[in-house]
Amino acid sequence: GAGVSQSPSNKVTEKGKDVELRCDPISGHTALYWYRQSLGQGLEFLIYFQGNSAPDKSGLPSDRFSAERTGGSVSTLTIQRTQQEDSAVYLCASSRKGQGGSPLHFGNGTRLTVT
Amino acid sequence: KQEVTQIPAALSVPEGENLVLNCSFTDSAIYNLQWFRQDPGKGLTSLLLIQSSQREQTSGRLNASLDKSSGRSTLYIAASQPGDSATYLCAVRGDTSGSRLTFGEGTQLTVNP
Repeated sequence: GAGVSQSPSNKVTEKGKDVELRCDPISGHTALYWYRQSLGQGLEFLIYFQGNSAPDKSGLPSDRFSAERTGGSVSTLTIQRTQQEDSAVYLCASSRKGQGGSPLHFGNGTRLTVT
Repeated sequence: KQEVTQIPAALSVPEGENLVLNCSFTDSAIYNLQWFRQDPGKGLTSLLLIQSSQREQTSGRLNASLDKSSGRSTLYIAASQPGDSATYLCAVRGDTSGSRLTFGEGTQLTVNP
């Protein structure tokens, strides 16, 4: 596709349930990032993929959060046993690597609400 | 730990005015700096990317400058329009091309007709 695609755009879930958020990066982009944006706060880094490996996952807030990337393309962010503080917009971004630090391109995000 | 600060947090100007948004960062060992805009309920749109070896970048009515040694960047918007109303975010990338971006909290700009 032309841009980074995220699904679903909105997700409402009950506390304690597991959720999966999906990101389709721009074709050919080998780097993929997940960020979280909470109400009234800045963007918080979660994890970075280069290809299928995650050299930096230091931003994952707890072991309830995990992410994977397959085929060097689609990535899934999974949150287990969701808590109300997990409510936020989850943003995915992709970029080419090895081209002078090319710009990040963001998707429109998944708005997660935990009730 | 890199910290990015944006001033002001909010700005309201009349249409046609030229304006400057400020960004500062604590660790000058950056790979590049990127300016984004974010419209309500939307993701981020990349505006300008300045590599660490560059001093400025221009796109249309936008001009971004970078003073790496002093840890500062400015985004200059000429002849502002109501359509420029959005939140503007500054982000710096660490000293390798794969490193995370660290974001400021943004400047919320309103351009009044």
